[in-house]
Amino acid sequence: GENVEQHPSTLSVQEGDSAVIKCTYSDSASNYFPWYKQELGKRPQLIIDIRSNVGEKKDQRIAVTLNKTAKHFSLHITETQPEDSAVYFCAARGGGNKLTFGTGTQLKVEL
Amino acid sequence: GAGVSQSPRYKVAKRGQDVALRCDPISGHVSLFWYQQALGQGPEFLTYFQNEAQLDKSGLPSDRFFAERPEGSVSTLKIQRTQQEDSAVYLCASSTSGRPQQEQFFGPGTRLTVL
Repeated sequence: GENVEQHPSTLSVQEGDSAVIKCTYSDSASNYFPWYKQELGKRPQLIIDIRSNVGEKKDQRIAVTLNKTAKHFSLHITETQPEDSAVYFCAARGGGNKLTFGTGTQLKVEL
Repeated sequence: GAGVSQSPRYKVAKRGQDVALRCDPISGHVSLFWYQQALGQGPEFLTYFQNEAQLDKSGLPSDRFFAERPEGSVSTLKIQRTQQEDSAVYLCASSTSGRPQQEQFFGPGTRLTVL
């Protein structure tokens, strides 16, 4: 089955700096890659997603890149703000409909 | 409109008790998923319904876990003879159709603690 690895597990940046989180996946049939943000005690919320026919997608301060050959995808957050502090999960969807999640990255944006 | 809701939000059970967790998906959503999230981990897939049909239950950890969605709307996850290792947050998600690449909307989860 699909296996998703996520790095780093924790990331601390200064307000205004950029943050990058990287994920790799194992199943070459995976074709949909969402990123979720989860604040403490809250539900995961989709922040951006990318499909396998696209290499990059951007939404304001958030961007995701996908390299299908290398089977990795990354989340980029620019001009970080304190409210960006949360746990971020990458995920991949393969042949079935289920999502396989990474282990999460705790992002802390310091003032 | 209303999002995905789950009840109860918190459940404490003694080891060996049976529990039932409820999920109300977004109205009209065809697909429904259950995930288990252990502390400090990402959600792990348990099972998937398309309408009332359970199409994938490969993630259910043992035969003590059972899920149903008899009318294609509300779903119940039942855990029999709970064990301490069942302690986790159980998340439900729904999406609009059975097509892949549809966004999954998550509920707030049920935090199960087994003593």
